[in-house]
Amino acid sequence: AQTVTQSQPEMSVQEAETVTLSCTYDTSENNYYLFWYKQPPSRQMILVIRQEAYKQQNATENRFSVNFQKAAKSFSLKISDSQLGDTAMYFCAFDGAAGNKLTFGGGTRVLVKP
Amino acid sequence: ETGVTQSPTHLIKTRGQQVTLRCSSQSGHNTVSWYQQALGQGPQFIFQYYREEENGRGNFPPRFSGLQFPNYSSELNVNALELDDSALYLCASSYRQGRFLPLNTEAFFGQGTRLTVV
Repeated sequence: AQTVTQSQPEMSVQEAETVTLSCTYDTSENNYYLFWYKQPPSRQMILVIRQEAYKQQNATENRFSVNFQKAAKSFSLKISDSQLGDTAMYFCAFDGAAGNKLTFGGGTRVLVKP
Repeated sequence: ETGVTQSPTHLIKTRGQQVTLRCSSQSGHNTVSWYQQALGQGPQFIFQYYREEENGRGNFPPRFSGLQFPNYSSELNVNALELDDSALYLCASSYRQGRFLPLNTEAFFGQGTRLTVV
């Protein structure tokens, strides 16, 4: 069974600065997908960024980028130029090649301070 | 807005009762997954439905059951409610080309149903 671990329960960052969230996972599969989701107080999960394991290039979406280290089974998220609207819970998630379920980590609460 | 609608938004039930939660998937999507999110934790996979058939199930007892309708909307039913069933229930809709083909499209989540069992 796959497991996803987020070791930082909470992170705070000043507006306009950079914060990096950690995620490690365990799997015996070679092909899989990794995700970062944002859950604001409105409760709706919003996809931030996605990485296919077979792609060596790290995914980037505007101010969000990942550092994917397949051998180390590590998948960190960097938020650059943090904005107040980035305040939310962030969840790392894994989906195997079959793509029929997401396994989530425990989440990291990010607080962006003005 | 993702186009995924869940109802009701909040619900209070008594232990031992039964509950039905509903999810309308995004237009064009044929797959619905359900997750349980306890307070302060990440979501846990309950099950997935693809074209009206169950396509994977997490570690939940049989009193958690589901349905998917021809229009791809879905229901989650929970019988004999327990206090530990209190949680946010999320559904996610997506499109897949086949049961055994990888899901390579984004899953869109609804805003969830907050269930409280007293």
